[in-house]
Amino acid sequence: GNSVTQMEGPVTLSEEAFLTINCTYTATGYPSLFWYVQYPGEGLQLLLKATKADDKGSNKGFEATYRKETTSFHLEKGSVQVSDSAVYFCALILYSGGYNKLIFGAGTRLAVHP
Amino acid sequence: ETGVTQTPRHLVMGMTNKKSLKCEQHLGHNAMYWYKQSAKKPLELMFVYSLEERVENNSVPSRFSPECPNSSHLFLHLHTLQPEDSALYLCASSQGAGQNTGELFFGEGSRLTVL
Repeated sequence: GNSVTQMEGPVTLSEEAFLTINCTYTATGYPSLFWYVQYPGEGLQLLLKATKADDKGSNKGFEATYRKETTSFHLEKGSVQVSDSAVYFCALILYSGGYNKLIFGAGTRLAVHP
Repeated sequence: ETGVTQTPRHLVMGMTNKKSLKCEQHLGHNAMYWYKQSAKKPLELMFVYSLEERVENNSVPSRFSPECPNSSHLFLHLHTLQPEDSALYLCASSQGAGQNTGELFFGEGSRLTVL
């Protein structure tokens, strides 16, 4: 079946530390991959995406590279800020006639302290 | 208004009440979704509507009843809920066929508490 596995949180870091949140997936074919972020009290927002192998998605200093050989899409940021504290969701997409179906991981909570 | 708007933001109801959650999107999308977000669980896809037709129903109990009167509005009617139904209910929308950008646009959610 299709599924997404993320590292369990919470991840607690000091400001300016390096961040890695691991994500691996199982899917038939080669799905597009996404990272969504949920800030406290808000809905989910698309952070970045990659649609094919070796693509690198990037946004707001975050990056993730689509690795087909390891079926992974790890999220990284070189220097985190307090404002990055949120829950991060890795997801893959299945295309169906007429709509997109996102399969999410369980989410990883990131807490950044000054 | 722009984006996806959900009302109410917070709802407390008893197990015998009937209430509804409302979602409205102003993005011109033609697919809409209900997701359930419970503590320490992955997001669960409940229902999908594409062009106002229900295309997915993931074994959701009948006490949840969706309605999509047009491509801009989506409702979730709630009846005889259980305490374990307490969760954040997220609505989302996206472009449909031929527009597979993969991006779903989410509302801020309706926090439901069942007493």
